[in-house]
Amino acid sequence: EAGVTQFPSHSVIEKGQTVTLRCDPISGHDNLYWYRRVMGKEIKFLLHFVKESKQDESGMPNNRFLAERTGGTYSTLKVQPAELEDSGVYFCASSPLGALNTEAFFGQGTRLTVV
Amino acid sequence: QKEVEQNSGPLSVPEGAIASLNCTYSDRGSQSFFWYRQYSGKSPELIMSIYSNGDKEDGRFTAQLNKASQYVSLLIRDSQPSDSATYLCAVNTGGFKTIFGAGTRLFVKA
Repeated sequence: EAGVTQFPSHSVIEKGQTVTLRCDPISGHDNLYWYRRVMGKEIKFLLHFVKESKQDESGMPNNRFLAERTGGTYSTLKVQPAELEDSGVYFCASSPLGALNTEAFFGQGTRLTVV
Repeated sequence: QKEVEQNSGPLSVPEGAIASLNCTYSDRGSQSFFWYRQYSGKSPELIMSIYSNGDKEDGRFTAQLNKASQYVSLLIRDSQPSDSATYLCAVNTGGFKTIFGAGTRLFVKA
């Protein structure tokens, strides 16, 4: 069974450009999460989808970040326009619908560098 | 105060020794506690979860939880060089939002 996959694995863009990250969760997982780790800091929660609905987007840094999950399958996270402080590793995770304390499976992450 | 605190390390132990990793959290309402292992450049991998006070053992790993002290730890017995990684403590306060610590780097010397 395929795990959580993320694309691209690396992205280098210039300040002011737009970047779109993609996450394909494990098949059948209704919960999908986005996290970010900036250099030297802890992994920070960005938002949570249940199917196509945003349940909690309290961790989104600002309105330059837009996450979507049309159809409740894969998700995209767009950063527009990108700023230098957006550099970091963006992780996606998924888990099946069920008990609140279910554990999530992480993707390999997308390393974003804004220059 | 950080919500989940870990010593950044590095923690260095000889092969075969017990590695002890510690974590404290600030939210007394926290319900679920996880330890993830992350190798350099790889995704975090869940290795232990614990939900109630006491010890939980799984192979060479033992997680310990003390909610009164807001403390959770991970013991790795018979440490191997392959255990060298960053260990992330994560806490779920209810709902689906999980708070991570910054991680402790562990080196196991052969």
